Amino acid sequence: NAGVTQTPKFQVLKTGQSMTLQCAQDMNHNSMYWYRQDPGMGLRLIYYSASEGTTDKGEVPNGYNVSRLNKREFSLRLESAAPSQTSVYFCASTMTGANPWQYFGPGTRLTVT
Amino acid sequence: GIQVEQSPPDLILQEGANSTLRCNFSDSVNNLQWFHQNPWGQLINLFYIPSGTKQNGRLSATTVATERYSLLYISSSQTTDSGVYFCALYNNNDMRFGAGTRLTVKP
Repeated sequence: NAGVTQTPKFQVLKTGQSMTLQCAQDMNHNSMYWYRQDPGMGLRLIYYSASEGTTDKGEVPNGYNVSRLNKREFSLRLESAAPSQTSVYFCASTMTGANPWQYFGPGTRLTVT
Repeated sequence: GIQVEQSPPDLILQEGANSTLRCNFSDSVNNLQWFHQNPWGQLINLFYIPSGTKQNGRLSATTVATERYSLLYISSSQTTDSGVYFCALYNNNDMRFGAGTRLTVKP
């Protein structure tokens, strides 16, 4: 099992450009999440998807959109990147139930200039 | 939303020492996890512990939900324990992380 995979690993954008971060999991998990981590801080939840076909806002959703393409894939889109979106982005997944461990991807380091 | 506070923010230990990391939270929660972020940025589950005590090797965790805190114990620390330790709490998919404790273990 690859677990949770993310692409790309690194990206540099100019202000106003758009891009999509891809995430996939092969653990048959129901729920998937997107977080951002800024220097010296914990992770903050951007959006989550409790199941295929549903998405909900987290703590910091402004400037982002998401798509739960199928059970495996959950993408994050920046329509018009801003320097404030420079961060490391993590995708995670979890199986709902009695023991909802979160499994994280390796992260995408995004710089917006 | 839930407020999560971790202490201490930084901790430096000599190899072999023991340590206790604390996580205080503001509201009752469905569940709580501890994570380790290694120096390469990878996040690894340590414990899922909404209440009670669990042990895994040199690490153990205790959550007292009624008093709204959780503790992570690291015994006989090793240099590979270095990194940042986060607690994270969630209610109904709303997940909140603390700011973390940065642990440095010196040889």
